[in-house]
Amino acid sequence: DIQMTQSPSFLSASVGDRVTINCKASQNINKYLNWYQQKLGEAPKRLIYNTNNLQTGIPSRFSGSGSGTDYTLTISSLQPEDFATYFCLQHNSFPWTFGGGTKLELK
Amino acid sequence: EVQLVESGGGLVQPGRSLKLSCAASGFTFSNYYMAWVRQAPKKGLEWVATISTSGSRTYYPDSVKGRFTISRDNAKSSLYLQMNSLKSEDTATYYCARSDRYNYPFAYWGQGTLVTVSS
Repeated sequence: DIQMTQSPSFLSASVGDRVTINCKASQNINKYLNWYQQKLGEAPKRLIYNTNNLQTGIPSRFSGSGSGTDYTLTISSLQPEDFATYFCLQHNSFPWTFGGGTKLELK
Repeated sequence: EVQLVESGGGLVQPGRSLKLSCAASGFTFSNYYMAWVRQAPKKGLEWVATISTSGSRTYYPDSVKGRFTISRDNAKSSLYLQMNSLKSEDTATYYCARSDRYNYPFAYWGQGTLVTVSS
């Protein structure tokens, strides 16, 4: 199974900050990497698919990059509604596996 | 608008069975791969099962293989998860999720249904 190591687990930041969240796969996942946002008590929402493709309706301050085993989600200028938990998902091979999550909190 | 509404969750004893349902609307159900994803209380996400458009292909992780069965009824725009031999570690919110038009996973999610396995 492919292990997804997500970092950091917790991140404190302020409105307007630029933040990055990382996911490292235990083997090459060929850019089959999605990012999800989950707010408290809600279902996850897909932000980005296949490393760098923005889901329809998601603001352009969200972006993704990476290749091979290393992937990054960047939020260019944090907005109040961005404080949430973020997960990565590899769907290169079964079993599909998620990262452990990053909780983004207001500093 | 894509809508996915799960039902069937509840309290069940270890070793017993439970069947979850997901009613889909707002899209042509038979055109999309569907899946179940779960989240234990205050924990991360775990993929549980995926089914192809016709239902002929199904996929599971080892943690549920042989105990859980995903199925679909395209005429009713419904997805199901039959869960047998339930364990305490199956306690979670179960989400129904739809792929996108390229069959990349989990583009849309339902609100989830809570399953609690406890005596």
